[in-house]
Amino acid sequence: DGGITQSPKYLFRKEGQNVTLSCEQNLNHDAMYWYRQDPGQGLRLIYYSQIVNDFQKGDIAEGYSVSREKKESFPLTVTSAQKNPTAFYLCASSAEQTSGGPTDTQYFGPGTRLTVL
Amino acid sequence: GNSVTQMEGPVTLSEEAFLTINCTYTATGYPSLFWYVQYPGEGLQLLLKATKADDKGSNKGFEATYRKETTSFHLEKGSVQVSDSAVYFCALRGGYNKLIFGAGTRLAVHP
Repeated sequence: DGGITQSPKYLFRKEGQNVTLSCEQNLNHDAMYWYRQDPGQGLRLIYYSQIVNDFQKGDIAEGYSVSREKKESFPLTVTSAQKNPTAFYLCASSAEQTSGGPTDTQYFGPGTRLTVL
Repeated sequence: GNSVTQMEGPVTLSEEAFLTINCTYTATGYPSLFWYVQYPGEGLQLLLKATKADDKGSNKGFEATYRKETTSFHLEKGSVQVSDSAVYFCALRGGYNKLIFGAGTRLAVHP
């Protein structure tokens, strides 16, 4: 089955610790994205990557970092600099980022719920 | 800048009732428009999309028509089921394929 997997489903972190969220896709998609969802709000873009070894900041990148060493993987690190990290984190991918056609549709993983204790 | 506004929820309906969730947008040009659905504890699933004015997206009995005159993309379903209970997000595609989301509308359907 093709799809996007995120792990873990639930993650607990102590204040001051960095934590890395995993995102893997086997859809052969070029573009990948990280979003943050807070209760009662829509999703906000953290980082995105068009191709391997390239990524750009989204709207709320402060306190986060990413890497894109492999096409299928786009891990997100939530650093201690992120002031309010408790949220639901969603990873997505699309075949091509800028085509404007059917291949620009983003598909989402099941999400990771991060709680800072 | 680009933005999406959805009607506030929750929307509470009885089974087999007619559903409308309003969505309006502000954007430069004519972006692709999307409806995503989120079931409890899960990620988002694409429900339907429309890529140009007057296009109608449809899936699983849901429909939405891209109206450039009113800058709207309202979601409708003729007869809702309990299994349709979820949060529905309207979104538009901005530059670099960035999705701009509305705040979401929670739908609760009772038997």
